[in-house]
Amino acid sequence: DQQVKQNSPSLSVQEGRISILNCDYTNSMFDYFLWYKKYPAEGPTFLISISSIKDKNEDGRFTVFLNKSAKHLSLHIVPSQPGDSAVYFCAAPNNAGNMLTFGGGTRLMVKP
Amino acid sequence: DTGVSQNPRHKITKRGQNVTFRCDPISEHNRLYWYRQTLGQGPEFLTYFQNEAQLEKSRLLSDRFSAERPKGSFSTLEIQRTEQGDSAMYLCASSLDSVAYNEQFFGPGTRLTVL
Repeated sequence: DQQVKQNSPSLSVQEGRISILNCDYTNSMFDYFLWYKKYPAEGPTFLISISSIKDKNEDGRFTVFLNKSAKHLSLHIVPSQPGDSAVYFCAAPNNAGNMLTFGGGTRLMVKP
Repeated sequence: DTGVSQNPRHKITKRGQNVTFRCDPISEHNRLYWYRQTLGQGPEFLTYFQNEAQLEKSRLLSDRFSAERPKGSFSTLEIQRTEQGDSAMYLCASSLDSVAYNEQFFGPGTRLTVL
């Protein structure tokens, strides 16, 4: 069973516009969420996180929104830049913090 | 460079052979994790060490897989009698140990191809 799902395998956006990447989860025990970004031939790198006590966390061009009742989170990138083109994964740790459950990823392509 | 390093970066082997991968975590990190990523999927947890103790293993880690972290520093992941289904990217990550959740830092991965 997929506890973390990213239903859009790919997204194409024009440079300067907003990119919205979505993620749904089923495990109500998850109380912390992360977004990782992955370039080809590199490991995932941490981008931004959010605790379940918040509904929004912002870091520069990146904002993550959490809707606990819908078990849904989204990552907004404004404005999108060509260098943002990568695969984005949402993930959640188990309560012990020793295991991350990842979604399947969304490939973002930002066109100049 | 003080990030997580993994060797080799690529490994091609024939079915039935044994392979071993190495991970060197960030030096002050006492937690170390192994994940596997297949094409089009997100990374899947395999196992986790706190210092030299292996504390968690996924059901994905069959008895052909063994991981060690003998001195609480680098770790090795061995796959015996490889099968074509073992072809994947094997990712290592490390983190600090604390009460609050700490970010896991990933290495570049070892891509395994089993022919």
